[in-house]
Amino acid sequence: DADVTQTPRNRITKTGKRIMLECSQTKGHDRMYWYRQDPGLGLRLIYYSFDVKDINKGEISDGYSVSRQAQAKFSLSLESAIPNQTALYFCATSDSQGGGETQYFGPGTRLLVL
Amino acid sequence: SQQGEEDPQALSIQEGENATMNCSYKTSINNLQWYRQNSGRGLVHLILIRSNEREKHSGRLRVTLDTSKKSSSLLITASRAADTASYFCATDGIGANNLFFGTGTRLTVIP
Repeated sequence: DADVTQTPRNRITKTGKRIMLECSQTKGHDRMYWYRQDPGLGLRLIYYSFDVKDINKGEISDGYSVSRQAQAKFSLSLESAIPNQTALYFCATSDSQGGGETQYFGPGTRLLVL
Repeated sequence: SQQGEEDPQALSIQEGENATMNCSYKTSINNLQWYRQNSGRGLVHLILIRSNEREKHSGRLRVTLDTSKKSSSLLITASRAADTASYFCATDGIGANNLFFGTGTRLTVIP
């Protein structure tokens, strides 16, 4: 089984709808991240969490919210989806004890907002 | 922002040739990492070089770091068609709590 899983893998939704993307990990890492990737723009950080009670905004948090339900689960919500949130979304984890902050990525969720 | 910039944006080479891609960044760093992404998939960590290191090797990968120029290069030797992917640098800035990714180099290795 994959260490970092994301559900759903693909999602089509309409403008104004609320959607949730979920991420689970079995690596035992304490740190989790949500990124979005747009063509030509690389990865941009949306939110990150260093433990269950810690939530931090990233570079582009507007229009998004997150919940760290447990060490292994980190979900991303779009409260009212808009077309420019169409992107590829990645969850990642890292271990604060490992040093160097190597991140381990999930397979991604492709989101289309109509 | 201390986001890195890769150069070139795209690179096309023949199988067996070497591929070199470069990364420049803006602020002082603790370390720099390179990641690979196959089309539409998650990123995979390749190699990490610390700010006090100048060169590091891993298999066919060679990474250099010049902190005075705030730049790094990734060399893939004897490229294979399976190396076709996008390659990203990521910096772990001093005082920062997360990585900053560059915009990537798209490498195509022609069989």
